Amino acid sequence: DIQMTQSPSTVSASVGDRVTFTCRASQSINSWLAWYQQKPGKAPKLLIYLASSLESGVPSRFSGSGSGTEFTLTISSLQPDDFATYYCQQYHTHSTFGQGTKLEIK
Amino acid sequence: EVQLVESGGGLVQPGGSLRLSCIASGFTFSNYWMYWVRQAPGKGLVWVSRINTDGSSIEYADFVKGRFTISRDNAKNTLYLQMNSLRAEDTALYYCARGDPSGASYFDYWGQGTLVTVSS
Repeated sequence: DIQMTQSPSTVSASVGDRVTFTCRASQSINSWLAWYQQKPGKAPKLLIYLASSLESGVPSRFSGSGSGTEFTLTISSLQPDDFATYYCQQYHTHSTFGQGTKLEIK
Repeated sequence: EVQLVESGGGLVQPGGSLRLSCIASGFTFSNYWMYWVRQAPGKGLVWVSRINTDGSSIEYADFVKGRFTISRDNAKNTLYLQMNSLRAEDTALYYCARGDPSGASYFDYWGQGTLVTVSS
């Protein structure tokens, strides 16, 4: 099975900061990677698919990059609505999620 | 507007069964692969099962193989998850999610989830 590892597990940041999350796959998944945002009590929301394609309606401050085993999600300028937990997901072989990175207010 | 509405969760004893349903609306259900994903309280997301457009191709996570059965009724726009031999570790919020028409397994729409609690 393909394992997905996200780092860090928690990030503390302020409104306006640039934040980057990392996701590593245990083997190459090409670009078969998605990123989701989840707020407490809510279903996950798709942000990025195919590693770098922005889902319709998602603000352009979100961007994704990477291929193979190393991927990043960047928020260029944090907004108050962005404080949430972020998950990566590989869909190269079945599907596996990372354990999540919680973005907290500093 | 795309909507996915799950139901059927509840409290069940270990070894018991439940059948989850997910009613879809706002899109052509029969064109999309569908998935079940679960989230234990305070934990992360875990893929459970997927079914292709006509039900001819199905996959399960190893931890539910032989116990859970995914199915769909395209005439009723409904996805199901029959859950048997339930264990305490199956306690979770179960989401249904829509995949891509091509079968790429990222999920662009999710339901709000139905809570399954396995406890004596």
